[in-house]
Amino acid sequence: GENVEQHPSTLSVQEGDSAVIKCTYSDSASNYFPWYKQELGKRPQLIIDIRSNVGEKKDQRIAVTLNKTAKHFSLHITETQPEDSAVYFCAARRRGSSNTGKLIFGQGTTLQVKP
Amino acid sequence: GAGVSQSPSNKVTEKGKDVELRCDPISGHTALYWYRQSLGQGLEFLIYFQGNSAPDKSGLPSDRFSAERTGGSVSTLTIQRTQQEDSAVYLCASSPTWGTTASYEQYFGPGTRLTVT
Repeated sequence: GENVEQHPSTLSVQEGDSAVIKCTYSDSASNYFPWYKQELGKRPQLIIDIRSNVGEKKDQRIAVTLNKTAKHFSLHITETQPEDSAVYFCAARRRGSSNTGKLIFGQGTTLQVKP
Repeated sequence: GAGVSQSPSNKVTEKGKDVELRCDPISGHTALYWYRQSLGQGLEFLIYFQGNSAPDKSGLPSDRFSAERTGGSVSTLTIQRTQQEDSAVYLCASSPTWGTTASYEQYFGPGTRLTVT
């Protein structure tokens, strides 16, 4: 069945260091991979996404890479700041008809950025 | 403009009671999703509505769970005979019309925290 594995479950870095979170998906028909940030008690917010026709996408300090062959995708945060502390979720969405809109989420990574 | 809204924000109910959770999607969004987030866990897909198509109910955990979407807008998630394991945050999301370039992004509501005692 469809499954997304996310690692690590917790990550602690010093301010200014980089953070990398990795996800693996099982459904080779997946074609859309968003990353959400969820601060404590808040709703998930999309921070970056990538579609299967590109291998990398960057937005300021955040980048996502996709390896379709290995079915891996990763989130990279550079020059981390304390406000980056949150839970990050990766997800995958299956290519198909209009009736396949569901996202399959990873279990989440709690990122702590120490000042 | 207004985002996705959900009500109530918190709901405490006794085991065995029925509950209804409401979601108001962003105006004009034809796709609506329900997810469940248990404490410290990821988001678990429950059900998906897209326009007039038959909903994808593949994530509903049991027949105690049902959802409907009236007039292509507001949705209600109903849990009958609630159990303690139903305690979680129930999140609703919506996205624009399928086929547009923006249709992939899902916008989440603030969630309803359900506690079953």
